[in-house]
Amino acid sequence: DGGITQSPKYLFRKEGQNVTLSCEQNLNHDAMYWYRQDPGQGLRLIYYSQIVNDFQKGDIAEGYSVSREKKESFPLTVTSAQKNPTAFYLCASSSRTGDRNEQFFGPGTRLTVL
Amino acid sequence: DQQVKQNSPSLSVQEGRISILNCDYTNSMFDYFLWYKKYPAEGPTFLISISSIKDKNEDGRFTVFLNKSAKHLSLHIVPSQPGDSAVYFCAASASRTNAGKSTFGDGTTLTVKP
Repeated sequence: DGGITQSPKYLFRKEGQNVTLSCEQNLNHDAMYWYRQDPGQGLRLIYYSQIVNDFQKGDIAEGYSVSREKKESFPLTVTSAQKNPTAFYLCASSSRTGDRNEQFFGPGTRLTVL
Repeated sequence: DQQVKQNSPSLSVQEGRISILNCDYTNSMFDYFLWYKKYPAEGPTFLISISSIKDKNEDGRFTVFLNKSAKHLSLHIVPSQPGDSAVYFCAASASRTNAGKSTFGDGTTLTVKP
């Protein structure tokens, strides 16, 4: 089955520690995205990548870093510089071909910083 | 400045009736609009989309209407079913400039009562 996997589903970390969230897709999509969702709010774009070895900052990139060494993988590191890291993190991918823009989302990772 | 707004945080309707979810946008560059459905602790799933060259798109019980002059779109669900209870996100994309990169509204929580 094609899709996007995120691991782990729940993650707990102590304040001041960096943590990396995994995102893998087997949809052969060129573009991948990371979003953050806080309670009662929409999805805010952290980083996105439209091709391997290239990525751009989204609206709230401060305190986060990414890499895109493989087409299938787009890991997100939440660094100690992120002031409010506790949130629900969603990874998505989309095809760049054709006119359809819909994104396919993973199940999300809930990060809690203690 | 929020470019995509869903002004109703919640909506409650009776099973079998019509649900109407509204969305407003401000950026004239947006030319492709999407609706996503999200259950708690899961990633959003794509529901329906519309290109700016159309004013209506229908898929089964779901219809999206676009009023470009008013920068307004709406999602109609007829008839509403209890399984439709979820958070609905409106998203907008300037597909010609950044395929797949969408700006999301804050969502509307729909509750369909049996």
